[in-house]
Amino acid sequence: TQLLEQSPQFLSIQEGENLTVYCNSSSVFSSLQWYRQEPGEGPVLLVTVVTGGEVKKLKRLTFQFGDARKDSSLHITAAQPGDTGLYLCAGQNPNQGGKLIFGQGTELSVKP
Amino acid sequence: EAQVTQNPRYLITVTGKKLTVTCSQNMNHEYMSWYRQDPGLGLRQIYYSMNVEVTDKGDVPEGYKVSRKEKRNFPLILESPSPNQTSLYFCASSQRQVFNTEAFFGQGTRLTVV
Repeated sequence: TQLLEQSPQFLSIQEGENLTVYCNSSSVFSSLQWYRQEPGEGPVLLVTVVTGGEVKKLKRLTFQFGDARKDSSLHITAAQPGDTGLYLCAGQNPNQGGKLIFGQGTELSVKP
Repeated sequence: EAQVTQNPRYLITVTGKKLTVTCSQNMNHEYMSWYRQDPGLGLRQIYYSMNVEVTDKGDVPEGYKVSRKEKRNFPLILESPSPNQTSLYFCASSQRQVFNTEAFFGQGTRLTVV
């Protein structure tokens, strides 16, 4: 069974601080997606990374896919209260028809 | 507006009383799936459907049924709910189950079984 381990599970920081969320596995994924979920809503896709070593930026968010395509990270610069939410990584498995496998999620709280 | 609609949003029921959670998408997506979300466990797939009349088990299918009679609808059926099925449920759809495809999620159904 493929697993994606996210860390940390909970993160509470002050506005303006930087943070990194990690998503690790012992398995190779064809691509990795990051979703953000706000209270009372479903997850919404932020980004998809597909190439080992790939880096994508979305304003203050930087996403990286590991060289071996087994891990990924999300870095937020100068966090704002609007960044508060649950961040989920999801890997796609080439041997399972592209099925999405989700990490446990990271609950981020940014205090003003 | 492209969306996945689930109903109801909240449901409290008693053990053993059959219930159905509806899911409808307006994007003409082929692939649909149901997930449950529990604290510390992330999203776990219950069932999925690759097209009309094609459904298959996900990782946690016990106690659930689904059907896909039309492309847009994918209801989740709990024939005899039990307290361990208390959870937050999400329906999702995507164009096809291929790589790099974005999954669109409904707003969720919070189910409590007492």
